[in-house]
Amino acid sequence: DAGITQSPRHKVTETGTPVTLRCHQTENHRYMYWYRQDPGHGLRLIHYSYGVKDTDKGEVSDGYSVSRSKTEDFLLTLESATSSQTSVYFCAISGQINNEQFFGPGTRLTVL
Amino acid sequence: DQQVKQNSPSLSVQEGRISILNCDYTNSMFDYFLWYKKYPAEGPTFLISISSIKDKNEDGRFTVFLNKSAKHLSLHIVPSQPGDSAVYFCAAYSGGGADGLTFGKGTHLIIQP
Repeated sequence: DAGITQSPRHKVTETGTPVTLRCHQTENHRYMYWYRQDPGHGLRLIHYSYGVKDTDKGEVSDGYSVSRSKTEDFLLTLESATSSQTSVYFCAISGQINNEQFFGPGTRLTVL
Repeated sequence: DQQVKQNSPSLSVQEGRISILNCDYTNSMFDYFLWYKKYPAEGPTFLISISSIKDKNEDGRFTVFLNKSAKHLSLHIVPSQPGDSAVYFCAAYSGGGADGLTFGKGTHLIIQP
């Protein structure tokens, strides 16, 4: 298994509070991704990173920001959580473009 | 507009028989396709992939077929086993690929004894 961990694994928070999810990898892979999975939608890309301090938006980036200050860590921040951001969040890594991505175990976030 | 479509939300197959999962895409820029398997409360696991320059790729019990003219790919599992019961996602890259995968909504495969 690829060395990817996500923390926390579960979180319940209230509307309007800030939330940060962490993805940590031990594979030294260049590319890192954040996806969310919702019923009826499959997985959708939120943000991605192609190197330290190099990030870009994905399909559903509104309300989210990311940071990557080290190769091994990719943080996803919800500045002011809303109920529509209740979801399961997956981090993924890849060593090359056009190659398989390896996924973390996911974080289940509930915004009340 | 959904660019990767898995039109069967669920599929039930008897153990030992062939499972065929289908996927259609609309974006002609897609050039690399992948299948992932997902169990509840776990992250997706990579199964098999195929480049647009090929029409078939095989790995053990899993074979992926690509028909570019029809913008269609399929995953064949032979023989189907109880542990194959999971949700299967079709995904695709376009162009440079650094900007992530586009996923279908998934097909829930149920293997019946």
